[in-house]
Amino acid sequence: GAVVSQHPSRVICKSGTSVKIECRSLDFQATTMFWYRQFPKQSLMLMATSNEGSKATYEQGVEKDKFLINHASLTLSTLTVTSAHPEDSSFYICSAPRGSRGRDTQYFGPGTRLTVL
Amino acid sequence: SQQGEEDPQALSIQEGENATMNCSYKTSINNLQWYRQNSGRGLVHLILIRSNEREKHSGRLRVTLDTSKKSSSLLITASRAADTASYFCATDALAAGNKLTFGGGTRVLVKP
Repeated sequence: GAVVSQHPSRVICKSGTSVKIECRSLDFQATTMFWYRQFPKQSLMLMATSNEGSKATYEQGVEKDKFLINHASLTLSTLTVTSAHPEDSSFYICSAPRGSRGRDTQYFGPGTRLTVL
Repeated sequence: SQQGEEDPQALSIQEGENATMNCSYKTSINNLQWYRQNSGRGLVHLILIRSNEREKHSGRLRVTLDTSKKSSSLLITASRAADTASYFCATDALAAGNKLTFGGGTRVLVKP
């Protein structure tokens, strides 16, 4: 089956630093990938849509200058949390759809737990 | 923003019992998907049901979809302790470009 990986799985950083999270589709190409954030015991909230070769589309309330997204190839999207603060601590999950329109299944990465001290 | 709600928010059952959870949504959809998430882990895709389908089975899982009521249900039969997890429904709305909107989730505890 389709596999999506994320790296790193866990990161702890100091406040003010930037953290890059990678999302890769391992056995299929993904022109679109999605980034979600999940706080403890809550559901997933879509942050942005990553588009290969063009700018990402951000959901309302998500700061695009703080959460930089780059989709440089058909198998890789990166999310950079810039100048991280403790309130950015969360579980970040990416996904990629695979399949024809209307039948698409989203495959999710294993997530990255970010802790900002 | 979340598309809808899941009910119940939490469910505790004995091994061998069935678990049923419901999902409601607000807009017209292409499909609805159910996912499982173990604590601190990523999401595992369970079932995708298309808007023109009413019921789907996969092993011990049964999903129904009622587009007139904008609701879906997930039934896990003969539950096992390993089924303990959070279950989320997610809708792929029409013209949303594959974007999924998640329900609040149901935390299921299966006691051995």
